[in-house]
Amino acid sequence: DTAVSQTPKYLVTQMGNDKSIKCEQNLGHDTMYWYKQDSKKFLKIMFSYNNKELIINETVPNRFSPKSPDKAHLNLHINSLELGDSAVYFCASSQAGLMTGYTFGSGTRLTVV
Amino acid sequence: QQPVQSPQAVILREGEDAVINCSSSKALYSVHWYRQKHGEAPVFLMILLKGGEQKGHDKISASFNEKKQQSSLYLTASQLSYSGTYFCGTVMGGAQKLVFGQGTRLTINP
Repeated sequence: DTAVSQTPKYLVTQMGNDKSIKCEQNLGHDTMYWYKQDSKKFLKIMFSYNNKELIINETVPNRFSPKSPDKAHLNLHINSLELGDSAVYFCASSQAGLMTGYTFGSGTRLTVV
Repeated sequence: QQPVQSPQAVILREGEDAVINCSSSKALYSVHWYRQKHGEAPVFLMILLKGGEQKGHDKISASFNEKKQQSSLYLTASQLSYSGTYFCGTVMGGAQKLVFGQGTRLTINP
């Protein structure tokens, strides 16, 4: 009964490949997010969806494309992977946007070789 | 727009107190605090919404100053379980995103 679950937990792939990360939350939250955490632990927001609608799209290469089929799911597809994409990607969710705390998934460690 | 946390790292002995600060150059709508242990996800600690607000549970508390540009996290009588990296996240008025500080690494030794 994990609140925010991400798959896969680890992803090792070669440069140029395309990969997807999936996220699901069973908390009934209306907003979901993708954050990227680099090797220096800096957490940077990438995207945010509210009830399937994209509300935040940070300066992220258009090789990254989020998709939210419903408010409980948010996926991240990455095309033509580059070495610099290596990081931990966290999915998170919250209710009522910014007025409540975020619940994070366990993260996906992406390594591009 | 990224808030600035200080100190960047702190090492304590069990039972000692710590204060972590989070500052912004502009007034904030809210401040969140999270703790992340190595290899794990950030975990929400608390949120402060009002200037002058103070909140806390157990031996971890936080304050949000009247001008809403600074927040401090207080850890008293620290326990080994408090070790980790602490992040503040801030929301500026009119923005719809939570921006995290660079983190403060807290190490508690026996």
